[in-house]
This record gives sequence, C-alpha cells and structure tokens, in this order.
Amino acid sequence: DGGITQSPKYLFRKEGQNVTLSCEQNLNHDAMYWYRQDPGQGLRLIYYSQIVNDFQKGDIAEGYSVSREKKESFPLTVTSAQKNPTAFYLCASSRQGGVAFFGQGTRLTVV
Amino acid sequence: SQQGEEDPQALSIQEGENATMNCSYKTSINNLQWYRQNSGRGLVHLILIRSNEREKHSGRLRVTLDTSKKSSSLLITASRAADTASYFCARAYSGTSYGKLTFGQGTILTVHP
Repeated sequence: DGGITQSPKYLFRKEGQNVTLSCEQNLNHDAMYWYRQDPGQGLRLIYYSQIVNDFQKGDIAEGYSVSREKKESFPLTVTSAQKNPTAFYLCASSRQGGVAFFGQGTRLTVV
Repeated sequence: SQQGEEDPQALSIQEGENATMNCSYKTSINNLQWYRQNSGRGLVHLILIRSNEREKHSGRLRVTLDTSKKSSSLLITASRAADTASYFCARAYSGTSYGKLTFGQGTILTVHP
C-alpha cells in the first residue's frame, strides 16, 4: 500500500540526548515536511524539503536537524539544543502542487 | 504572524445536526485546506479551496471562502458519531508548496449518538 510511515510511534528521550525520528514515503512525492503539534494546538512547521539534497527551515527549526539523501526518506533529529521537545511529531509529503498526506505521527516524551 | 483564528474551539452536537466551523486568516493565500484529525492520529485531508473559488462540496462537506473577509467555513451536514474529531484549517500562501501550511488551533467536534 502507498503511504507515509513514521517510526517509532512512541519515543522516550533522556535529557541531553539526540534522537532521530524516521519518515519514509512510497508515494513518489517530491516534497516532504515535518510538523510539531503541542497539546490542544495546531501544527507548526519545523523543516521542509522540496527536492533531494535540499531543505529549508520552517517556523520553529531551532534545536532540530534534517537530511534528505533519498527521495523516500526525510529523518528528523531532535537535538539536545531543543529545550522543550515533548510533542507529537508529524511527517507529511506532497507532489508539486498537491495536497499533503500525513503519517500517523511519533509521540516524543522527555524523561 | 500569519496565524489565524478558528472558532469555535469546541463544538458539541447531536447526531443528525449540522456542524459549522469557521477559520480566519491575516494575509493573502493561494489556497485554504481543511483537515481532520482523530485523537492521537495523523491528519487526513478533507477538501481544498483555491483563492479564486467561493464554495466547494464533497459529500456531506461544504466549504466556503470569502477572500474579502479573509475567512472560510466548513459545514458538515447530517453529522454522525464517527465525525467526532478535531478539524483544522490550513493556509497555503502564495509562492509556496501546497504542503507548506500554516494551521489554526483547530475545532474539537463531538457528535453525540
């Protein structure tokens, strides 16, 4: 089946640790996105990539890093510089001029 | 800020009733999209309306857009318990990819059987 797969579904991070969230799509979409959602809030854009080997910062990029080495994959690293990383992270992809398809999310908790 | 407002923040209705959610924004848009999110899940795209359109329908959904007032509304007719979810409007601004979106805070819809 075509779609976007995020893993893991739940992730626990210790203070000072970097963690990487996986996002894979087999929709052959050029563009991929990472959003953060806090409780009771809408989504905020962290990073996005419109083509392989290129990405841009979104509204809240500080403390996060990404890579786009393959069209299918857009991993997000939450670094120790992100002071409040506990949130629900959503990955999405779209073709050029198309709407976004979202994964099922990763819930990250700092312990 | 490009953030807009959605209202109401929460809406509770009985099955069979209509549900209306509103969204306002501050700067010119390319298109406006509505998404649905079941609790703890990803978002599902419902409908897209372009800035040169005034109304669109999809099944029991009707979306209107008033660019002069910078506002949009989503109407769900004959609601069902399965419509219980959070609904978000998301704006795509001119010159950007349709997936680069600015979201409102959402409306939590509860439909009682």
